[in-house]
Amino acid sequence: KQEVTQIPAALSVPEGENLVLNCSFTDSAIYNLQWFRQDPGKGLTSLLLIQSSQREQTSGRLNASLDKSSGRSTLYIAASQPGDSATYLCAVMSGSSNTGKLIFGQGTTLQVKP
Amino acid sequence: NAGVTQTPKFQVLKTGQSMTLQCAQDMNHEYMSWYRQDPGMGLRLIHYSVGAGITDQGEVPNGYNVSRSTTEDFPLRLLSAAPSQTSVYFCASSTRDAAIRSGANVLTFGAGSRLTVL
Repeated sequence: KQEVTQIPAALSVPEGENLVLNCSFTDSAIYNLQWFRQDPGKGLTSLLLIQSSQREQTSGRLNASLDKSSGRSTLYIAASQPGDSATYLCAVMSGSSNTGKLIFGQGTTLQVKP
Repeated sequence: NAGVTQTPKFQVLKTGQSMTLQCAQDMNHEYMSWYRQDPGMGLRLIHYSVGAGITDQGEVPNGYNVSRSTTEDFPLRLLSAAPSQTSVYFCASSTRDAAIRSGANVLTFGAGSRLTVL
């Protein structure tokens, strides 16, 4: 059974710092891995999607990497801003094809202090 | 485009009552799914559908029913609500298209429905 773990559960940093959020998964047979952002009381917004054949994806100040063999992904946020404060969720789609089903980690709640 | 629309946003039920959470998408997505989110546990898949007339169970299906009579709608039914079903429920949809470059299988989530069962 696929299990997804995110460490740390919470993180507080001063504005301007570069930071890394970690995600690990137990079964390396994944189709893709996605990172989402969730603001308090809101739904999820997709940030980055990495297909199993890819090593990383970038969007603006965000960079997500994937190492299937070790079962790990990292989300790198450069030059953090107070507006980056939110919960970040990692989710994997297991298997060899698009099933539309995701297994989520518990999330990392990020606070960026001005 | 409205994307994924969930109703109601908030609902309070008494134990034993029934209700339906509605989910509609206007993106012609083949795949739709329901998740529940509880504190400290992330999102867990309840039921999902790969197309009209096809549904299957996820991680935590007990106490919930679904049906998919049209591509657009995927309602979630609680037949006899229990306090353990107090949660925030999210509906999501995605396309079956597996094109890598387009990122077409990114899930689009609704805003959520917060359910309290007393």
